Amino acid sequence: EDQVTQSPEALRLQEGESSSLNCSYTVSGLRGLFWYRQDPGKGPEFLFTLYSAGEEKEKERLKATLTKKESFLHITAPKPEDSATYLCAVEGGKLIFGQGTELSVKP
Amino acid sequence: NAGVTQTPKFRVLKTGQSMTLLCAQDMNHEYMYWYRQDPGMGLRLIHYSVGEGTTAKGEVPDGYNVSRLKKQNFLLGLESAAPSQTSVYFCAIRDPAMETQYFGPGTRLLVL
Repeated sequence: EDQVTQSPEALRLQEGESSSLNCSYTVSGLRGLFWYRQDPGKGPEFLFTLYSAGEEKEKERLKATLTKKESFLHITAPKPEDSATYLCAVEGGKLIFGQGTELSVKP
Repeated sequence: NAGVTQTPKFRVLKTGQSMTLLCAQDMNHEYMYWYRQDPGMGLRLIHYSVGEGTTAKGEVPDGYNVSRLKKQNFLLGLESAAPSQTSVYFCAIRDPAMETQYFGPGTRLLVL
């Protein structure tokens, strides 16, 4: 059965304190792994798509990487505006979402 | 939200009442989806459509019906609302070029 697990559930950082969010997955026939950002009261906002192990994507302070079993979202020198819930999703035959990591960045 | 609108933004229903949620897109994509999001449960697929006139069941379809009479619109219906259907409902469209889904702003539904 396809499954996605994100850790930690919540992460509190000080501004400038770099860290990583984890997305572990099992899927038969990975077609893509997706990262989304969701702000309170809003819909998920697309960040990245990764297709194969070894692939990396970057956007501002965010960098997503992919292995055969997991993906990491690295946040370098985060700012308070990076506070949000980050969702990971994998697509085999259908799109399966993890429960998300709630990131809080304090000034 | 990538040209996806949802109506209404918020609604309160009494148990047993019915309502329809509307999702509209202005991007002419074939694939449209309805999800619900609950604390600790993540996003779960209710129904989806691969084109005008077609619909299919997702992970949690019970208690919901859908219709896709026009390509731009995807309707989600609750015939007899139950408190367990209290949730935030998101519509999404699939961009085939990016192979990912873009979400609407959501409808918050409270069933008393």
